[in-house]
Amino acid sequence: DTAVSQTPKYLVTQMGNDKSIKCEQNLGHDTMYWYKQDSKKFLKIMFSYNNKELIINETVPNRFSPKSPDKAHLNLHINSLELGDSAVYFCASSQDTTGQANYGYTFGSGTRLTVV
Amino acid sequence: AQSVTQLDSQVPVFEEAPVELRCNYSSSVSVYLFWYVQYPNQGLQLLLKYLSGSTLVKGINGFEAEFNKSQTSFHLRKPSVHISDTAEYFCAVSLKAAGNKLTFGGGTRVLVKP
Repeated sequence: DTAVSQTPKYLVTQMGNDKSIKCEQNLGHDTMYWYKQDSKKFLKIMFSYNNKELIINETVPNRFSPKSPDKAHLNLHINSLELGDSAVYFCASSQDTTGQANYGYTFGSGTRLTVV
Repeated sequence: AQSVTQLDSQVPVFEEAPVELRCNYSSSVSVYLFWYVQYPNQGLQLLLKYLSGSTLVKGINGFEAEFNKSQTSFHLRKPSVHISDTAEYFCAVSLKAAGNKLTFGGGTRVLVKP
């Protein structure tokens, strides 16, 4: 059983399109995250949800909108895709209930988004 | 705000040789510290973490790290590497405070040569 699963694994799309990435965790964790890894491998947090409530919203364009229908799912919708959105997007979850990352995160295997 | 610096972007090392990956952090308050490994085309996997207590932390795959508060460092070591240790290694820090996030360093690519 995959603990944190993301779909799709690869996504190639044209500029201007709207796309979604889905994430599900079966660990019973309360907090979920989206991270972006750029071409230089730099990882930066985008969003964090605790029990369906947004708790971290970094400086991310409004074209990115997370949605958490329940605490086991955190989806990422991206409108009007741009070339600079090409990256690997990682979903993660953690057990903590207050957003403290003191027990570490469990990461998904990533979604490689390529905008052409 | 906290920050993490990994001083080496790439570390080539021969098989069975020791390796040390350097990590320094900046924070005005107490922190938790982590090392993650990312194998090619995979997600991140937790190697080890420091929360409190003994400053020498042992992790998976024979890795260990030492927390040095005075030098604000958390260097990762392995006494003898294998080809399979070729990967990207990330140091990360979070504050001991609610609602905080995990901040990553820029990563160190370890290339183990036969």
